[in-house]
Amino acid sequence: DVKVTQSSRYLVKRTGEKVFLECVQDMDHENMFWYRQDPGLGLRLIYFSYDVKMKEKGDIPEGYSVSREKKERFSLILESASTNQTSMYLCASGVGGPASEQYFGPGTRLTVT
Amino acid sequence: AQSVTQLDSQVPVFEEAPVELRCNYSSSVSVYLFWYVQYPNQGLQLLLKYLSGSTLVESINGFEAEFNKSQTSFHLRKPSVHISDTAEYFCAVSQGYSTLTFGKGTMLLVSP
Repeated sequence: DVKVTQSSRYLVKRTGEKVFLECVQDMDHENMFWYRQDPGLGLRLIYFSYDVKMKEKGDIPEGYSVSREKKERFSLILESASTNQTSMYLCASGVGGPASEQYFGPGTRLTVT
Repeated sequence: AQSVTQLDSQVPVFEEAPVELRCNYSSSVSVYLFWYVQYPNQGLQLLLKYLSGSTLVESINGFEAEFNKSQTSFHLRKPSVHISDTAEYFCAVSQGYSTLTFGKGTMLLVSP
């Protein structure tokens, strides 16, 4: 079975802190994605990566950056956390191509106080 | 750009009743369509997908969805729901690349 793991299920950070969310997949997938999920807004794509060291902005990249140094690991970075970044963050991976399924991790619920 | 509309944010239903969750998409080109399900405190998992061929696709747990090109719809149905189907359901469309555009989700609430 494909497994996508995220470093924390729950995280509480203070405004202005630098926050790292880690995601690891074990299926050698080319593509990895970061979404945020908010009630009533569904999932919105923050960034994605189609190869090591490659990244593309999604629909809401402002306030975020990403890093992909190894194929299996994709990190989301909040340079200076703000309260409006309180959300559920979901990582996903996939083999690539428009018809391919994405496999999701369990999510990290981040609270910024 | 494509978009996905899920017309109902919540659908309450009694156990063993039929249910339909509605999804409409906008796109001027061919699309691939997906339904994902999110059980409480879990990530999303694929329920079913339409890529080509038969317009009716089925999942292993009794859900089905029909692709209707003329109405740009991909509604999800189940003839008899169980308590365990309580979850949030997301419709998504893929076009061209590997990214998905998701709808806002429909919470299916099944009560005894």
